[in-house]
Amino acid sequence: DAGVIQSPRHEVTEMGQEVTLRCKPISGHDYLFWYRQTMMRGLELLIYFNNNVPIDDSGMPEDRFSAKMPNASFSTLKIQPSEPRDSAVYFCASSPGIDTQYFGPGTRLTVL
Amino acid sequence: ELKVEQNPLFLSMQEGKNYTIYCNYSTTSDRLYWYRQDPGKSLESLFVLLSNGAVKQEGRLMASLDTKARLSTLHITAAVHDLSATYFCASGQGGSEKLVFGKGTKLTVNP
Repeated sequence: DAGVIQSPRHEVTEMGQEVTLRCKPISGHDYLFWYRQTMMRGLELLIYFNNNVPIDDSGMPEDRFSAKMPNASFSTLKIQPSEPRDSAVYFCASSPGIDTQYFGPGTRLTVL
Repeated sequence: ELKVEQNPLFLSMQEGKNYTIYCNYSTTSDRLYWYRQDPGKSLESLFVLLSNGAVKQEGRLMASLDTKARLSTLHITAAVHDLSATYFCASGQGGSEKLVFGKGTKLTVNP
């Protein structure tokens, strides 16, 4: 298996623009997680899905953030409008259950 | 609310030495994970500990879990430069797949 796939790997955008991050989980994994990592706040869980259904979105910072999982092999995290404080590395991870989470390579987002 | 604390946050050690990283969590947990992250890279799973007294070893790293003390340790034996990385512990609670991560321990092994 190719592992968790994320795109793009790097994104540079200007404040106010819409940003869409994409994730393809490992086939057969029922759980998908979106994390954000910054130096100041560390690794934070934003939202997670089980069988394409959002289970816990309490970590989503504000209404500017939204996440969808239209099918078992694809998820998006959208930021609209983006702000400089959204600059971070965004990781997607997937898991088959109460087991380790497998992380993707991450998307490094810079908002100017 | 589950909180996870690691210490130390920074660790500089010489090759060949032993050391332990500590991970405390605030509420009852049924599982504990250790991950490694190299600079600019993703997180790589090292160990999954699912019961009290669980001990797992891989090479120079050994992890253990004491659920009564709410403590996990990651012991490094005879460190080598290749172990330089940031190590994270994460704890989960029953009934949820959600993990809470510690802030990480940045380990530097000097020749």
